[in-house]
Amino acid sequence: NAGVTQTPKFQVLKTGQSMTLQCAQDMNHNSMYWYRQDPGMGLRLIYYSASEGTTDKGEVPNGYNVSRLNKREFSLRLESAAPSQTSVYFCASSEHRDYGYTFGSGTRLTVV
Amino acid sequence: QKEVEQNSGPLSVPEGAIASLNCTYSDRVSQSFFWYRQYSGKSPELIMSIYSNGDKEDGRFTAQLNKASQYVSLLIRDSQPSDSATYLCAVDLSGGYNKLIFGAGTRLAVHP
Repeated sequence: NAGVTQTPKFQVLKTGQSMTLQCAQDMNHNSMYWYRQDPGMGLRLIYYSASEGTTDKGEVPNGYNVSRLNKREFSLRLESAAPSQTSVYFCASSEHRDYGYTFGSGTRLTVV
Repeated sequence: QKEVEQNSGPLSVPEGAIASLNCTYSDRVSQSFFWYRQYSGKSPELIMSIYSNGDKEDGRFTAQLNKASQYVSLLIRDSQPSDSATYLCAVDLSGGYNKLIFGAGTRLAVHP
């Protein structure tokens, strides 16, 4: 019963470096999401994937790219990290609009 | 105006009291509404969902929805110190496409 697994849990990057945040779910959910959470601002949607093979922008997509590799995996890439991308990143998945989301444990990213 | 608004708190209640958490949203066509609980340093976990006007009860939790007033609330009866957390309101503002917008959360503190 792993649910939604995110790696890594913590990461420190230097400005300009790139990295990929990994997310995998074992619940056979169609929809997957990437959110960032900053103090006082709640969760903001970066990108989402309604089904395998599709991705779409959310509220704050600038500076990020995503790949829905297969039904299980949805990765988030920072091509050139900036201090403004310091945040906690959550991946989530959902079976149906009536059932809400299941979240991963999060990745705490610091860009210096 | 934010799409989903919550009072940031902290809301402080004594143990055994009723805690009342409120949320307003901007879009009249919203159909799905959720409450998540998030402990410090952890990921959000779903505690309640509601889709129809009125009340929905689950144990010590009651969600209330008033679509005409664009208002959703969460009541926690017999509050316990373990209920101390941040409560996030989430609304599907995408017309049923399962894309949730989260409020910034209300921090609840239950003191013995």
